[in-house]
Amino acid sequence: GAGVSQSPSNKVTEKGKDVELRCDPISGHTALYWYRQRLGQGLEFLIYFQGNSAPDKSGLPSDRFSAERTGESVSTLTIQRTQQEDSAVYLCASSLFGANSGNTIYFGEGSWLTVV
Amino acid sequence: DAKTTQPPSMDCAEGRAANLPCNHSTISGNEYVYWYRQIHSQGPQYIIHGLKNNETNEMASLIITEDRKSSTLILPHATLRDTAVYYCIVRVGIQGAQKLVFGQGTRLTINP
Repeated sequence: GAGVSQSPSNKVTEKGKDVELRCDPISGHTALYWYRQRLGQGLEFLIYFQGNSAPDKSGLPSDRFSAERTGESVSTLTIQRTQQEDSAVYLCASSLFGANSGNTIYFGEGSWLTVV
Repeated sequence: DAKTTQPPSMDCAEGRAANLPCNHSTISGNEYVYWYRQIHSQGPQYIIHGLKNNETNEMASLIITEDRKSSTLILPHATLRDTAVYYCIVRVGIQGAQKLVFGQGTRLTINP
């Protein structure tokens, strides 16, 4: 498709289970971002991938969170041993290399995660 | 932390121009100003961005002051569908760290 695609769009999981969220960036976009937004809150940066450079993981809230990216394509955000406070919408975004060069960042519609 | 300051909320009458201010007094010379909006739990929607010059597209205009310490997003003829949270963002970080840092934004309500 033309935009950033995320799956699943909705996920309900039991506390303690692991979840995987997938992001397909726009074709050709080398930069990929993950954000989290809790209900009624702002967007929290989680992680950023750029080509073959080491990812910026500075926003990951705990070691239960991890993310991988295969080359310049699909990314997977994994949350292990989910907790109720992990309930949020997880947003993925992509852009051509670096917004410092003025490249627009496009967001997907998010994956809604509910931990019960 | 976000490098921008925005009013938490604003109201505007339908059909009038909505002017949303943003302060970014610590902006660096190579940092762009971006505007996004988020309509009720949807993914943030790109509106416009600029570096030094004023910019205009089909959605909005962006006016950046000469010293680049503040900017204004203008929606020329606001409609009810423009009700959303509007985020003004300045890119932060060093080479290789290109993340967007979102503040709390401005909740714009368009009134009929």
